[in-house]
Amino acid sequence: NAGVTQTPKFQVLKTGQSMTLQCAQDMNHEYMSWYRQDPGMGLRLIHYSVGAGITDQGEVPNGYNVSRSTTEDFPLRLLSAAPSQTSVYFCASRRSGYNSPLHFGNGTRLTVT
Amino acid sequence: GESVGLHLPTLSVQEGDNSIINCAYSNSASDYFIWYKQESGKGPQFIIDIRSNMDKRQGQRVTVLLNKTVKHLSLQIAATQPGDSAVYFCAENIGGNTPLVFGKGTRLSVIA
Repeated sequence: NAGVTQTPKFQVLKTGQSMTLQCAQDMNHEYMSWYRQDPGMGLRLIHYSVGAGITDQGEVPNGYNVSRSTTEDFPLRLLSAAPSQTSVYFCASRRSGYNSPLHFGNGTRLTVT
Repeated sequence: GESVGLHLPTLSVQEGDNSIINCAYSNSASDYFIWYKQESGKGPQFIIDIRSNMDKRQGQRVTVLLNKTVKHLSLQIAATQPGDSAVYFCAENIGGNTPLVFGKGTRLSVIA
């Protein structure tokens, strides 16, 4: 199993550009989530999904959209990038319905200039 | 290099010594707790978990202790090695499909 795969690893955007961060998992996990990580701020939840067709907002959802059309994929869209969105983004997944640990990808480092 | 981890509390230990990393959790209803290790440039990696019906759980060189009375979690690493140098996060969950809540992290620095 590859686990959680995130692409790209690095990205530079100009203010106002849009892009999609890709996340795929091959563990048949129903629960998937996106976090951003900034210095001194820890991991902050952006959006999460408990299954295909279901998404919900986390702590810092503004400026980000998600959809979940399949169990495997959970893309994160930035419609109009801002410098405040410069961060490292992590996708994570886990089994649903009972306590189990999150499995993380290795992140996408995004810089918005 | 990786800029995540600036301004984090730091624990420095000598190679071979035992390390204890502490975490105060926030929700008395939390019933599941996890420790993660994050190395520079990588995603957080699961180390060990514990449910609220336990107060101690052991893994390979690691032990997690849970004190529900004072809402405190600790991670003990035996015979700390240079490869243990990383940022360590605790996380708590109140169960089911609710999102994990992460602590701010502690940087462990192992002195060879």
